[in-house]
Amino acid sequence: QVQLQQWGAGLLKPSETLSLTCAVYGGSFSGYYWNWIRQPPGKGLEWIAEINHSGSTKYNPSLKSRVTISVDTSKNQVALKLGSVTATDTAIYYCAIVVVTATPWDEYWGQGTLVTVSS
Amino acid sequence: DIVMTQTPLSSPVTLGQPASISCRSSQSLVHSDGNTYLSWLQQRPGQPPRFLIYKISNRFSGVPDRFSGSGAGTDFTLKISRVEAEDVGVYYCMQATQFPPYTFGQGTKLEIK
Repeated sequence: QVQLQQWGAGLLKPSETLSLTCAVYGGSFSGYYWNWIRQPPGKGLEWIAEINHSGSTKYNPSLKSRVTISVDTSKNQVALKLGSVTATDTAIYYCAIVVVTATPWDEYWGQGTLVTVSS
Repeated sequence: DIVMTQTPLSSPVTLGQPASISCRSSQSLVHSDGNTYLSWLQQRPGQPPRFLIYKISNRFSGVPDRFSGSGAGTDFTLKISRVEAEDVGVYYCMQATQFPPYTFGQGTKLEIK
């Protein structure tokens, strides 16, 4: 049974750096797309960043200057860093992996981390 | 950015009856590789989202066959053939053709009458 578990600080002060990690347990994949997606409380979804099995990255331009996504294949983990946070970065942050090795594709999500930015 | 517009924003449905959600994109979602990267997601109350459909009409592993996707170009539809109680939640369309960024629709709330 594949599971994703994510962790990181839930309360930050303005200007600090958000740091989240997401790990896969119970599986490893050769073809995948890791994504970070966030959801402000009571609102819709916003895509943040993606990294694939080739190491290619994509970022939301609205966050690009502040965000980094990275993967540690030896640990089956993906990480997200978002610098200089403000109150507008308050949201539930989700990691998700789309596995494209076989058909149909498979997908898994972390449980979500509520990150609150407040002084 | 590509704008994804969903209709309706709220859909009361009777159990066992069909439901349909539309999604329209501000630009064609046909990629240069010939694929159309339009997905549908479901978010049950208090849960993380879950992908249901990829490339317009392909169900992700484990998704019941009462969910189906269709469409082309800029107009897409998610259909549930017979709504069950566990289908209550918010449904989003998402495009991954034109990047960055990938963009979502605003969400459609499916509720039982």
